[in-house]
Amino acid sequence: EIVLTQSPATLSFSPGERATLSCRASQSVSNYLVWYQQKPGQAPRLLIYDASKRATGIPARFSGSGSGTDFTLTISSLEPEDFAVYYCQQRSSWPKITFGQGTRLEIK
Amino acid sequence: QVQLVESGGGVVQPGTSLRLSCEASGFTFSNYAMHWVRQAPGKGLEWVAVIADDGKDKHVADSVKGRFTISRDNSKNTLYLQMNSLRAEDATVYYCAKDVLAPAKYYFDSWGQGTLVTVSS
Repeated sequence: EIVLTQSPATLSFSPGERATLSCRASQSVSNYLVWYQQKPGQAPRLLIYDASKRATGIPARFSGSGSGTDFTLTISSLEPEDFAVYYCQQRSSWPKITFGQGTRLEIK
Repeated sequence: QVQLVESGGGVVQPGTSLRLSCEASGFTFSNYAMHWVRQAPGKGLEWVAVIADDGKDKHVADSVKGRFTISRDNSKNTLYLQMNSLRAEDATVYYCAKDVLAPAKYYFDSWGQGTLVTVSS
């Protein structure tokens, strides 16, 4: 099973700052890496697929990068609505896809 | 717009069965693979099962293999998860999720609101 490690578990930023979230895979997943955002009481929302492609309707302040085992989600200038939990997911080893444990982005 | 509405969750005893349903609308259900994903309260996400658009190809996670079965009725725009021999560790929120395509690409552009399964004696 491919393990995805998201670190740190919690990040604290102020609105307007740039945030960088990390996701590391235990083996190469090529570019088959996906990012979701989840707010309390809501289902996850697709942000980024194939490591760097923004999903429909996702603001340009969200960007993804990386390949192989190391990936990054960057939010260029945090808006109040961006404070949430972010999950990465790999689909390289389908059907045995796996998720990271999540990074909580909180307001400083 | 895409809507996925799960139902069927509840409180059950260990070893018993439950069937979850997910009614889809706002898109051509029969054109997409569909999944179940679960999440324990306050915890991360775990993929559970996938079914092809035509229902012929299915896969389930090792953690539920032999106990859970995924199915769909395209005439009713409904996805199902039959859960047998339930265990305490199956107690989570279950989401149905729409794949972005068929054949499945294994990522999800729409999710339901989730249905809670509680397993307790």
